[in-house]
Amino acid sequence: AQTVTQSQPEMSVQEAETVTLSCTYDTSESDYYLFWYKQPPSRQMILVIRQEAYKQQNATENRFSVNFQKAAKSFSLKISDSQLGDAAMYFCAYSRVQGGKLIFGQGTELSVKP
Amino acid sequence: GAVVSQHPSWVICKSGTSVKIECRSLDFQATTMFWYRQFPKQSLMLMATSNEGSKATYEQGVEKDKFLINHASLTLSTLTVTSAHPEDSSFYICSVRAYSNQPQHFGDGTRLSIL
Repeated sequence: AQTVTQSQPEMSVQEAETVTLSCTYDTSESDYYLFWYKQPPSRQMILVIRQEAYKQQNATENRFSVNFQKAAKSFSLKISDSQLGDAAMYFCAYSRVQGGKLIFGQGTELSVKP
Repeated sequence: GAVVSQHPSWVICKSGTSVKIECRSLDFQATTMFWYRQFPKQSLMLMATSNEGSKATYEQGVEKDKFLINHASLTLSTLTVTSAHPEDSSFYICSVRAYSNQPQHFGDGTRLSIL
């Protein structure tokens, strides 16, 4: 069975600084998808970034980028130039290519200090 | 604009009543919809996968007679919490997906409080 682990329950960053959130996963599949979702206090789930496992190039979306290490089964999220609006719960998630149900990590609560 | 509409956003009801939550896909026909449950400060737990025109697939430990799911059309799935009790109080979120290689789009969730 696939599992996703986020070992940092809470993280804090100074505004304008950079922070990295960790995520590891376990799977026997060779192709799959990985995601980072943001859940602000409103509890809306917002897709931050998506990585396809067969792509070696790390995905980027503006200030958000990932470090995808397939062999190590690691998928960290880097947030550059942190903003107050980045404060939220961040979930790492995995899905198979077929079937596609999301398996979420435990979440990391990110606070941003002004 | 919103891709998914989930209604109601917040419901409070007495113990023993049944509550229906609707999830509508606004932008595309969703062959698959998912229902999640989330307790405070915890992750999302998948309850069931709903496929249009067929019975929902429930995750282990989820009572199918307690949580009735109907996916009668390609744009609407409903979750009915039958004979709700205080322990059913939680945040319920749906998501929709057009095809298996597409990401899921989430509704805004429903906060259910059973008194």
